[in-house]
Amino acid sequence: GQQVMQIPQYQHVQEGEDFTTYCNSSTTLSNIQWYKQRPGGHPVFLIQLVKSGEVKKQKRLTFQFGEAKKNSSLHITATQTTDVGTYFCAGPRGGSNYKLTFGKGTLLTVNP
Amino acid sequence: EPEVTQTPSHQVTQMGQEVILRCVPISNHLYFYWYRQILGQKVEFLVSFYNNEISEKSEIFDDQFSVERPDGSNFTLKIRSTKLEDSAMYFCASRAALGLVYEQYFGPGTRLTVT
Repeated sequence: GQQVMQIPQYQHVQEGEDFTTYCNSSTTLSNIQWYKQRPGGHPVFLIQLVKSGEVKKQKRLTFQFGEAKKNSSLHITATQTTDVGTYFCAGPRGGSNYKLTFGKGTLLTVNP
Repeated sequence: EPEVTQTPSHQVTQMGQEVILRCVPISNHLYFYWYRQILGQKVEFLVSFYNNEISEKSEIFDDQFSVERPDGSNFTLKIRSTKLEDSAMYFCASRAALGLVYEQYFGPGTRLTVT
C-alpha cells in the first residue's frame, strides 16, 4: 500500500536554530498537505502543495514539493518555542483526494 | 471561527463494551472522517463518509466499527465490542465540498481507554 515516510522522527533544537523535516512517498502524489499537532492537541492544517516544484512560504515556514511530486519538505527558520509540536505530512490515499495517509511525523522540541 | 466538536473528551470503558463517540462537524461541510492516533504514533485513517454513506474505509475499520449521521448535525463512531488495542485518541474531521484545497478540520479528539 501507499507509504508516506518522514524523517527525522525527533528533532531538538536551540531557539533560533533552523529546522527541516522531510517527507517521502512511495507513489506520486496529486497534492501534499502539512499539519501541525501541538502536544495534547489535534492536527491543524498548515498548507497544501499541488504543483511540481512548488514552494510556499508562511512567515518563517517554507514548504516545498518535489519536482517528481513524491517528496516534500518543511523548513522553519529561526525556531521559536511556539513552534514546538509534531509536524505531519499527509498525502491522498489511493489516488483519492478525500482521505489522507499521514506520515509518522517529526516531533520538534525547542530549548529556550 | 467554526470548529469541529467532539464528545466526550475522555471515555473509559471495559473490554467488550460498546462505545459511541460523537462529533459535530462544521455545519456547511459535506465530507466527514474518523481517524485514530495511538499514543505517540501517527494519525491513521479509519473511514470517510459522504452523502449518508461510507465512501472509503481502511483495513482497521472492521465489522466492529460503524458510523452514522443520525441527524443533520451529528456524526458518530460506534465500536461494538471494544478491545484493549482500541485504546487511542479518536479524531473526527470534516471537509468542505467545494474548492481545490482539501483541508480537513479536525476536532479536539476523544481519548478512549479500554480496560
